[in-house]
Amino acid sequence: GQQVQQSPTSLVLQEGENAELQCNFSTSLNSMQWFYQRPGGSLISVFYNPSGTKQSGRLTSTTVIKERRSSLHISSSQITDSGTYLCAMEQGSGTYQRFGTGTKLQVVP
Amino acid sequence: EAAVTQSPRNKVAVTGGKVTLSCNQTNNHNNMYWYRQDTGHGLRLIHYSYGAGSTEKGDIPDGYKASRPSQENFSLILELATPSQTSVYFCASEDWGAEQYFGPGTRLTVL
Repeated sequence: GQQVQQSPTSLVLQEGENAELQCNFSTSLNSMQWFYQRPGGSLISVFYNPSGTKQSGRLTSTTVIKERRSSLHISSSQITDSGTYLCAMEQGSGTYQRFGTGTKLQVVP
Repeated sequence: EAAVTQSPRNKVAVTGGKVTLSCNQTNNHNNMYWYRQDTGHGLRLIHYSYGAGSTEKGDIPDGYKASRPSQENFSLILELATPSQTSVYFCASEDWGAEQYFGPGTRLTVL
């Protein structure tokens, strides 16, 4: 079954609102990475965060291994934040990343 | 900044034809990956490699071959293309236990 579950599937925000995107995994975790993708575009790494909390500007990622979850918090959303956010987890050393199906975010004026 | 390039960026092929997708990375990363992305399925791993001369099967390898002739280059080969292989294909590279960097993608249409 699906080892990486993302929620919500889609989200519409008004500009300035905050968002919390979730990624849950069903197995042990070796690494966790968040990506951003524009429609028709490639994947851009947002965070590589195997554990703990990392912040970059308005974005914060928190990974809690014991609870098998990672979150991506977007504060004061902007229209340019629109796109799809994907999480990917690597189960163990020597394995490869598996991706969630993504959260499609739309920020409107 | 990691650099991964793919060629071609767009390709139209005929059913039964041979298609080769190429990927090049200039960061001396050991690991390279080929994914396909389809609506409703997300990103799925086709083949990957741990270094020159090595190729491994991912989650959906059927109908695809891979070749890693050098550290920099990783190719995906469709010997007999089928319409079900119409998709967007992404290549990625990484060093062990570190971030993955993606190429711009190749849009393949098999008629």
